[in-house]
Amino acid sequence: DTGVSQDPRHKITKRGQNVTFRCDPISEHNRLYWYRQTLGQGPEFLTYFQNEAQLEKSRLLSDRFSAERPKGSFSTLEIQRTEQGDSAMYLCASSLTVIDTQYFGPGTRLTVL
Amino acid sequence: AQRVTQPEKLLSVFKGAPVELKCNYSYSGSPELFWYVQYSRQRLQLLLRHISRESIKGFTADLNKGETSFHLKKPFAQEEDSAMYYCALHSGYSTLTFGKGTMLLVSP
Repeated sequence: DTGVSQDPRHKITKRGQNVTFRCDPISEHNRLYWYRQTLGQGPEFLTYFQNEAQLEKSRLLSDRFSAERPKGSFSTLEIQRTEQGDSAMYLCASSLTVIDTQYFGPGTRLTVL
Repeated sequence: AQRVTQPEKLLSVFKGAPVELKCNYSYSGSPELFWYVQYSRQRLQLLLRHISRESIKGFTADLNKGETSFHLKKPFAQEEDSAMYYCALHSGYSTLTFGKGTMLLVSP
């Protein structure tokens, strides 16, 4: 286990299509976070899980966004009916506990045409 | 609501010069502050956090609650320090609030 992994690394889609991203955290980490980063901005929090429970969602997470972590291991982030404004880098991070360092994955870059 | 401000988008210095990357925060509680760094083509990684009071790669940062600042400093910049630096605040709700980042460019 060399760290947090994300798949795919790049995704190009047409407006209106659905996309799903996957994040595999560091194996013993209970907490998993999703962030979004647009050009010229720092990462912005979307949601986080403790094990399989989704504990907080940002107001940035519209109804078109849904995230799951079904077995407390990997997580998926789905965006339905994509819009051009969804184009961004989607980052996943994990940590062992609430006070521990968050380790980031390489991100999935989404481009909506 | 918490906020992190990094006033400089770009900081350009010569090798060997001192570096100070500014970070100010707004938070009513007791914050935990971090500096993350992203080198070219690499993922975001932790540089240092204030509670550990460590010096990493020659960088230090002191939390000043009076001025609500957490500036990152290094006495002698190296070319390999060129990267994007993000200041972040942990508010106790398990989420990090990031600043917009400062690009540090160290020229030979």
